[in-house]
Formats: sequence, structure tokens, C-alpha cells
Amino acid sequence: DVKVTQSSRYLVKRTGEKVFLECVQDMDHENMFWYRQDPGLGLRLIYFSYDVKMKEKGDIPEGYSVSREKKERFSLILESASTNQTSMYLCASSPSGTSGTRFDNEQFFGPGTRLTVL
Amino acid sequence: DAKTTQPPSMDCAEGRAANLPCNHSTISGNEYVYWYRQIHSQGPQYIIHGLKNNETNEMASLIITEDRKSSTLILPHATLRDTAVYYCIGPLPLGNEKLTFGTGTRLTIIP
Repeated sequence: DVKVTQSSRYLVKRTGEKVFLECVQDMDHENMFWYRQDPGLGLRLIYFSYDVKMKEKGDIPEGYSVSREKKERFSLILESASTNQTSMYLCASSPSGTSGTRFDNEQFFGPGTRLTVL
Repeated sequence: DAKTTQPPSMDCAEGRAANLPCNHSTISGNEYVYWYRQIHSQGPQYIIHGLKNNETNEMASLIITEDRKSSTLILPHATLRDTAVYYCIGPLPLGNEKLTFGTGTRLTIIP
């Protein structure tokens, strides 16, 4: 089974701190994603990566950056955490598309990290 | 923005079939509809997807109308563990990386 793990289930940080959220997948997937989930807003895509050292902005990249130095690991970075970044953060991975596309839309999600910024 | 419409909540008796509707009236020729679910305190889990033919797997069945503008996810014998939020996602073509999760349908299985 695909396993996507996230470094913490719960995290509490202070405003202005630099925060790293780590995600690791063990199925050699090319694609990795970071989402945040807020009540009433569903999941929103922050950044995704389709290869090592490659990244693309999602729908809400402001205030975030990412790093993908190894295929299995995708990090989300909050350079200076703010209270409006308090949220549930979800990581996902997917293999390259089976029909010659870059993405296979079946994504495998981690358990999430609930981040509170005080 | 989500291009699908789902009811916000539904109840279903344990052991009965749960039928979750979704409208996707803007669907075009090469676009699929995907279903995921999210059990409390877990990440979303892929269930099934379809283009125009009905689909079935070990988790569920997907019935797509002939005009493709709506679909129904069927859990044939719902159990308490099927209580979750169900997301109908799309329509989108294969190879599109952006899954747009709306607010889904909160399905509660009643003992």
C-alpha cells in the first residue's frame, strides 16, 4: 500500500517563526502536492511538484514556499508564520499518468498536520 | 472554484445502499468525474472515477447519466465506517493536476 507520512499530526508555532512541514512517500511517485483545509472552504492547493527540484504554484501559494530535493520528500515552508495560516495541512502524492499524461488524478493523502499559529 | 454541486449532508441506514448525487452540468467530451471521501481526522481517499460508462470497484459503483451532466455514487451496503465527507471532483481531463475539492456531502450512517 502507498504510504504518505507527515512529520507531525499537531504543531503549535508563534507568529513570525519559520515553520517546516515535511512529507514523505514510499511509492516512488513523481508528483507531490500540498493542500490546506479550512472549514467551509474545502481543500485548496498550495503548491505541487512533478519532479525533483520542480515546483509549481497552486491556487493559494502566497506566504508559502516548497522544497523537493529528493523524490520521496516534499517540504512546505512558512517563512514567517501568521495566524491566518492556522489550518490543517495535507500532503498527497500520485504517480505519473498512465495515459501518457503527466498526472494521474488518483492522489494518495497523508493524515494531515494541524498547525496552530499563536 | 468547484464545478460540481452536491447536497451538504445525507443520512443512510446501516446496511442500506447510500446514493450520493452530484451535478456537473459543464462537463465536456474528455472530462472525467472523480470521487474521494474523507473520514474524520484522516486525509481524503480516492474511491472511483468515470468518463461516461458506469464503473464499479471494490468500494463503490458510479452511475453516470446518459447526458453526463450528473452522476451518483453508490455504496451498496453502507456500514458505520462509511460515515465521511464525500467529494465529487471535476469535471476535468486526465492529466490535470488540480483537484478542486468543494465542501462535499457529509454522509452519516445511522445504526
